[in-house]
Amino acid sequence: GENVEQHPSTLSVQEGDSAVIKCTYSDSASNYFPWYKQELGKGPQLIIDIRSNVGEKKDQRIAVTLNKTAKHFSLHITETQPEDSAVYFCAAPPPPGGGADGLTFGKGTHLIIQP
Amino acid sequence: NAGVTQTPKFQVLKTGQSMTLQCAQDMNHEYMSWYRQDPGMGLRLIHYSVGAGITDQGEVPNGYNVSRSTTEDFPLRLLSAAPSQTSVYFCASSYARPASSYNSPLHFGNGTRLTVT
Repeated sequence: GENVEQHPSTLSVQEGDSAVIKCTYSDSASNYFPWYKQELGKGPQLIIDIRSNVGEKKDQRIAVTLNKTAKHFSLHITETQPEDSAVYFCAAPPPPGGGADGLTFGKGTHLIIQP
Repeated sequence: NAGVTQTPKFQVLKTGQSMTLQCAQDMNHEYMSWYRQDPGMGLRLIHYSVGAGITDQGEVPNGYNVSRSTTEDFPLRLLSAAPSQTSVYFCASSYARPASSYNSPLHFGNGTRLTVT
């Protein structure tokens, strides 16, 4: 099945600075890469996703970039605000024709926004 | 529109007890799944279902059973709880299967925090 590695496990940035979280995946056939945000006491919620035919996608202060050759994708948050403090997860779908039919998640990044 | 509803929010069990974690969705999603979340381990797939009457095993299925008699409900059963099953459990649903080309997002419930002593 798919193997997803996520770094760093904890990231502390000053309010207003940018934050970058990186993930690598193992199966070159993977074609969809979502990012989820989990606030304390709640379930993860999709914040942005990208398909393999696109190199970058932006949504206001959030962007995701994909490098298919290197098999990695990154979440970029600009002008960070206190409400960005949360745990962020990357994920990848199962490879075609094999494995359990569920997303494989990275182990998460705890983003801390310092005032 | 409630989305994905999980009950109970918290539960404490003794080793060997059984219980059922409830999950219901009102979005008419065919795909439903259960994940467990442990510190430093991320989210791991326990069981999933691609439609009523169809269930299959995920990455960590041992010690858990599921059934899918309706589109809306997907309960998770622990037949004989063990301390290793202490975790936060999330139910999630989506319009299409993750392996399909539709790439529809997973909608998560707010979780059940289970402690087994």
